[in-house]
Amino acid sequence: NAGVMQNPRHLVRRRGQEARLRCSPMKGHSHVYWYRQLPEEGLKFMVYLQKENIIDESGMPKERFSAEFPKEGPSILRIQQVVRGDSAAYFCASSGQDSSYEQYFGPGTRLTVT
Amino acid sequence: GQQLNQSPQSMFIQEGEDVSMNCTSSSIFNTWLWYKQDPGEGPVLLIALYKAGELTSNGRLTAQFGITRKDSFLNISASIPSDVGIYFCAGQDSNYQLIWGAGTKLIIKP
Repeated sequence: NAGVMQNPRHLVRRRGQEARLRCSPMKGHSHVYWYRQLPEEGLKFMVYLQKENIIDESGMPKERFSAEFPKEGPSILRIQQVVRGDSAAYFCASSGQDSSYEQYFGPGTRLTVT
Repeated sequence: GQQLNQSPQSMFIQEGEDVSMNCTSSSIFNTWLWYKQDPGEGPVLLIALYKAGELTSNGRLTAQFGITRKDSFLNISASIPSDVGIYFCAGQDSNYQLIWGAGTKLIIKP
């Protein structure tokens, strides 16, 4: 399966813990985007990364959230000291260099903060 | 900031009926994309539109990029049960960010 992969699919964390969400882009894709979705809502852009570079993190909260896309390995979205309001579905999308308009999505990670 | 208005919010239709939904924007987009999202899954790209006036089909789905570049519609002909889900429009300007509509929930009456 050459699609976008995300893990874990479901993640439960207590308030104050850290959440790490992983995304492996589609084969051949070098652009990764993270989105957040609340129930019954559309997706909200968080951050756009290329290998080893954060291109735009304008949609990401200034505190507790960080993202990386290392030279080797998956992209990671990290949420420190989670709060109940962080509970949401987090989706990763990837695109190729020549088709940055066409973003292909992974199945998402559903984060529940208890 | 940019906003997308997607309508209707939900639709109850009979199997076999045609479906139409649309998105309008307060600003111009260079690209319009239509996605479908099933429960518990990520959005799946259905159709991408790149030029004003462009009309593109994908099976029973047809989408158009409005001439003003501020709107787009999606039509589904002869709906079937597996069409159920939430349809999202997304617009992209000179930036790479996708601006998303709130979705149209399609429900087929039994």
